[in-house]
Order: sequence, then structure tokens, then C-alpha cells
Amino acid sequence: EPEVTQTPSHQVTQMGQEVILRCVPISNHLYFYWYRQILGQKVEFLVSFYNNEISEKSEIFDDQFSVERPDGSNFTLKIRSTKLEDSAMYFCASSATGNTEAFFGQGTRLTVV
Amino acid sequence: SQQGEEDPQALSIQEGENATMNCSYKTSINNLQWYRQNSGRGLVHLILIRSNEREKHSGRLRVTLDTSKKSSSLLITASRAADTASYFCGNYQLIWGAGTKLIIKP
Repeated sequence: EPEVTQTPSHQVTQMGQEVILRCVPISNHLYFYWYRQILGQKVEFLVSFYNNEISEKSEIFDDQFSVERPDGSNFTLKIRSTKLEDSAMYFCASSATGNTEAFFGQGTRLTVV
Repeated sequence: SQQGEEDPQALSIQEGENATMNCSYKTSINNLQWYRQNSGRGLVHLILIRSNEREKHSGRLRVTLDTSKKSSSLLITASRAADTASYFCGNYQLIWGAGTKLIIKP
């Protein structure tokens, strides 16, 4: 069964460093999303991406964040100058259309020390 | 805010009983999706209900959607220990809350 894969599963980084979280969406999907979840609490939408550009972003997704689809399969979230409060689980998801199921990856646990 | 809420925040029932949890939202949606999350893991897609549907079934799951009240419910019948998890409703960039934590007692 096709699935969304995320790497790494766990990333530890020093405060102020840049991190890149990687996602491989399901191959025929066209819509991509990033979410974060702090300490198993609420799921927070960060950004959606369609047709090689950001379609929606939340207030959380400020200049510290950027997304990219560098090739036909990967979808990345870059966090510049990480802060302690960026520590969270980051989930990638993809859907075939804007009205079909969104499937999530297993997440990357980001720890900023 | 485009956030929604799941209700209750926590639910503890005996194995075999039915579990009902609710989701309310504030804006128009084209569909609503329910997910399950086991501790520390990813969100597993359970069911999608479109805005022109009122009820949908999948195995032991029954989802309803009332667009006039902007609310949805998820019913899990004949609960099992393996149903212990957190349950979320969402629609891409919309809704998403803290989930309902369901505990099934043996």
C-alpha cells in the first residue's frame, strides 16, 4: 500500500541551527501539507503546497520556515535558526486532490537543545 | 480562527461499549476527515465524509456530518482495547484540535 515516508524519524539540533525535514509523498498525489504537534497535543497546520507553490499557510509559518519540492518525489520543510519552542513532531501529508483523503507520514521528532 | 474542537477531551469506557466523539468547526468545508493516533505515532486516516453526505459507515465506524450545525460525530461500536488512541478531525488546513483521548478498559 502506498505511504508517505518521512526522514529522519528523529532529529536533534542545536538552537540557532537550520534543519531540513524530508518527505516523500504518495507518488500520484498533487497536494502536500506540513503540520506540527507539540508533546502529543493539538495538531497545527503549517502550510499546504500545490502546483509548485504555497496554496495556504498559517500564522505559525513565518519567515523562519520554507518549503520546497526540489524534484519529482521529495517535499521538504526547512526551519532556519531553530528555537527551543520548535521542538515538536512534524508531520507531512499528501492527497490526490483537494477533496480526497490526506494520508500522513509517521513524523519527524525534532528536538532543539 | 479556523480551528475546531473535538469533544469530549477524554473518554474512558468498558470494552464492548460504544464510543461517541464530536467535532465542531467554524467555517465551510468540502469534506471532513477523521484520524486515529496512537501515542507518539502518525495519524492514521479512518474515514472521509463529504459536505453533501450526512452519514457514512466503515466497519465499526459511523460518521455523521451536519453542515448546518457545523458538527460531525464519530461512533465506534463494540469497542476493543486496540481502539485506545487519540482521535482527531480535520480538513487539510482547517479544523484540527487537541483530539479526543479514548481509553478502552478491559
